Amino acid sequence: GAGVSQSPSNKVTEKGKDVELRCDPISGHTALYWYRQSLGQGLEFLIYFQGNSAPDKSGLPSDRFSAERTGGSVSTLTIQRTQQEDSAVYLCASSFGTGSSYEQYFGPGTRLTVT
Amino acid sequence: GENVEQHPSTLSVQEGDSAVIKCTYSDSASNYFPWYKQELGKRPQLIIDIRSNVGEKKDQRIAVTLNKTAKHFSLHITETQPEDSAVYFCAASNTDDKIIFGKGTRLHILP
Repeated sequence: GAGVSQSPSNKVTEKGKDVELRCDPISGHTALYWYRQSLGQGLEFLIYFQGNSAPDKSGLPSDRFSAERTGGSVSTLTIQRTQQEDSAVYLCASSFGTGSSYEQYFGPGTRLTVT
Repeated sequence: GENVEQHPSTLSVQEGDSAVIKCTYSDSASNYFPWYKQELGKRPQLIIDIRSNVGEKKDQRIAVTLNKTAKHFSLHITETQPEDSAVYFCAASNTDDKIIFGKGTRLHILP
């Protein structure tokens, strides 16, 4: 079946512009995560959605970052007034449930470059 | 909240030798410990996981061990091969909360 998809695959934007990154999780997966991976670095947790519960936003680095998940499916990560330090690969992952027992399936990522 | 420490950050081993990556966690409620492998330019993928009710799990050349008392777990790769070169991430979670990843170990298999 179809895996997690993300769009765009690459995004180049000027400093100060807003960007929207999209994630389509695997159908039926209730949990959705966003991570940021800077060059050669680890997986930095950003935000986590689980079903109809309030999202866990504890990883968002500033109020310029926000995310939505509409209808329990597609998610959009928005970065306002982008800065050069926002340049990274943004990975989305989905899983059938939360925490224990559930494998995370990652998307291919969106490479964001802020010039 | 949970905090996962992983070391070493970089590891080089001769092809055919064994590699060991170690992680510690802070939340005693954590009960699920997956390991993900990320090859260059690709997305992370689950390679093996262990739950808190077992101390060791093997899958061919890969094994994971868990010491709940000490709150540490390890990944062991035996008879390493060139295709084992990648970044490996450990993680920990409990039933009700999000997964927390370690910072990763870059494994180089030397010819």
